[in-house]
This record gives sequence, C-alpha cells and structure tokens, in this order.
Amino acid sequence: DAEITQSPRHKITETGRQVTLACHQTWNHNNMFWYRQDLGHGLRLIHYSYGVQDTNKGEVSDGYSVSRSNTEDLPLTLESAASSQTSVYFCASSDASGTDTQYFGPGTRLTVL
Amino acid sequence: QKEVEQNSGPLSVPEGAIASLNCTYSDRGSQSFFWYRQYSGKSPELIMFIYSNGDKEDGRFTAQLNKASQYVSLLIRDSQPSDSATYLCAVNAAAGNKLTFGGGTRVLVKP
Repeated sequence: DAEITQSPRHKITETGRQVTLACHQTWNHNNMFWYRQDLGHGLRLIHYSYGVQDTNKGEVSDGYSVSRSNTEDLPLTLESAASSQTSVYFCASSDASGTDTQYFGPGTRLTVL
Repeated sequence: QKEVEQNSGPLSVPEGAIASLNCTYSDRGSQSFFWYRQYSGKSPELIMFIYSNGDKEDGRFTAQLNKASQYVSLLIRDSQPSDSATYLCAVNAAAGNKLTFGGGTRVLVKP
C-alpha cells in the first residue's frame, strides 16, 4: 500500500545544530508540503514543492530549507536549530491532477534545548 | 484577520447528539474545502471535501458549503465517544494546490 513516512519520529537536539527531518512518500505524488503545528497556531506551512527541483517558501520559512531531488522525498533542514523551532512537524503530499486532498505523514516531534 | 477561522472549543456534545462545527474563510476565490480529523498525538486524516454549494453527506458526516457567506460547516450525526478529536477546516486558495488550515475545533463527546 502507498504511504507517507517520516523519520525520526522523535528528535531532541541542541540550539545551533543542523537537523534534517526526512519525508518519504510512495504515492507518486508531485506535490509535497511541510507544516509545523503548535498550540494556538494550528498547522502552518513551512515549504512546499510541486515537483522535482521545485521548492517554494510558505508562511513560516525562516530558518528552514528543503530540496527535491526525486519525486518520493522532501527532506526538511533546520540550518541552525533554535528553541522557537520546538514543534511537531508534519509532511503531506497530494496528487497534482487530483482533488488537492493532502495526505499526512505520522509527524516528527522535535525538541530544541 | 486569520484566513480560515474556527471556534477552538471545546464543543461538548452528549453521545447520540448532533455536533455542529463551523468554519469561515476570507478568500472569496477559494475553490475547495476540506475537513480533517486529528486525534491527540496523531496526524490529520481526511473526513471529506466539498467543492459546490450545498450539502454533501458521507455516512454520519455532512459538509455544508455556502460560498456567498464564505462559510463551511460539518455536522456529525449520532455522535460517538470515538468522534472526540480536533476537527480542522482547510481551504484551497484560488491559485495553486496549497491548503490554509484553521486552528481547529476540539470536540468532546460525553457518554
């Protein structure tokens, strides 16, 4: 069955370290998205991609970067982790020719100390 | 003003009753509308989507869309304790495939 996975599921890191969160989908979807979810803010879009070599900034992109070298993966990198980036991160994907329905991965809980 | 607004709740309903959730959006050009359910500690999962004005029913769930008034609602009939979750409204902007999410409404169904 097609699915979307994220790793690691939990991560504790220190301020200033570089961190990469992985997202892998087997739906063969062109569109992939990264969100963060915090109490009081709901889901906020960090970066998104509509295909290989395409990346775009979302509403809260500062301090984050993504790259899309193939259809299946969209890793999210925190260049220099900050305590304000402690959050739950969700990856999602959707079919460009479909209904725009986004399917979510299980999430990664990141703690920056 | 937030682009997609929901009452944060909690919305407390007795088991077997109808839960009514509302969502308003600001972009008049929005084309498609989604309801997701999120259990505590889990990821959002799609309940249903709606594109056209009117009602759309799927089992115990009914989505209602009124583009003129810029609101979309979700009715949960015969509410069960397993329906206790946070319900997220999401709206597709007029251009692109991005979704904008509301803050979610927490629903508590009491036996």
